[in-house]
Amino acid sequence: GESVGLHLPTLSVQEGDNSIINCAYSNSASDYFIWYKQESGKGPQFIIDIRSNMDKRQGQRVTVLLNKTVKHLSLQIAATQPGDSAVYFCAESLAGQLTFGSGTQLTVLP
Amino acid sequence: EAQVTQNPRYLITVTGKKLTVTCSQNMNHEYMSWYRQDPGLGLRQIYYSMNVEVTDKGDVPEGYKVSRKEKRNFPLILESPSPNQTSLYFCASSPGTGDYEQYFGPGTRLTVT
Repeated sequence: GESVGLHLPTLSVQEGDNSIINCAYSNSASDYFIWYKQESGKGPQFIIDIRSNMDKRQGQRVTVLLNKTVKHLSLQIAATQPGDSAVYFCAESLAGQLTFGSGTQLTVLP
Repeated sequence: EAQVTQNPRYLITVTGKKLTVTCSQNMNHEYMSWYRQDPGLGLRQIYYSMNVEVTDKGDVPEGYKVSRKEKRNFPLILESPSPNQTSLYFCASSPGTGDYEQYFGPGTRLTVT
């Protein structure tokens, strides 16, 4: 499968600020995109997803934006909290085959 | 409680000794998948299954086998493990059919010496 990459391996934000985590994907045929959060010692946890026929989707404190023109995906976290500190992965899917990015470590500073 | 379980959680073995890591889900999910996670490489899909008796290769299937005889179980088999298969393995499941909100198991840390 084609790779999914991330612009930044680490991101530090002040508590209460908004966070933006970016992801570039390669396969223009991918039809589904997902963001996961992984805390230390645990398995990944689903955050939010978006289908290729959408460009924005909002959840609780999170928003995913999809720009198919430049094959870019982003995760926005509003009012970042200490509990948001984790590694965040984006993933792209085509007919059930998933390809993950290498992850971004988000650190929330007090 | 809805969950994905994996066994064993930790395993140290030697090169060439066949092993099986079990995965079971109690959510009646159609889709199941195995991943390995290595530092700097993120999660890589090994095999996935869209339904019973249907399995497909992911990005890194070499050296692994899977089977899906029942909906709830999706074991990962290493016929002849090698040191490069030392990794953290995750099983996951999702409703499937276009819904890939995956639930991950707790992980199995495998060391092959």
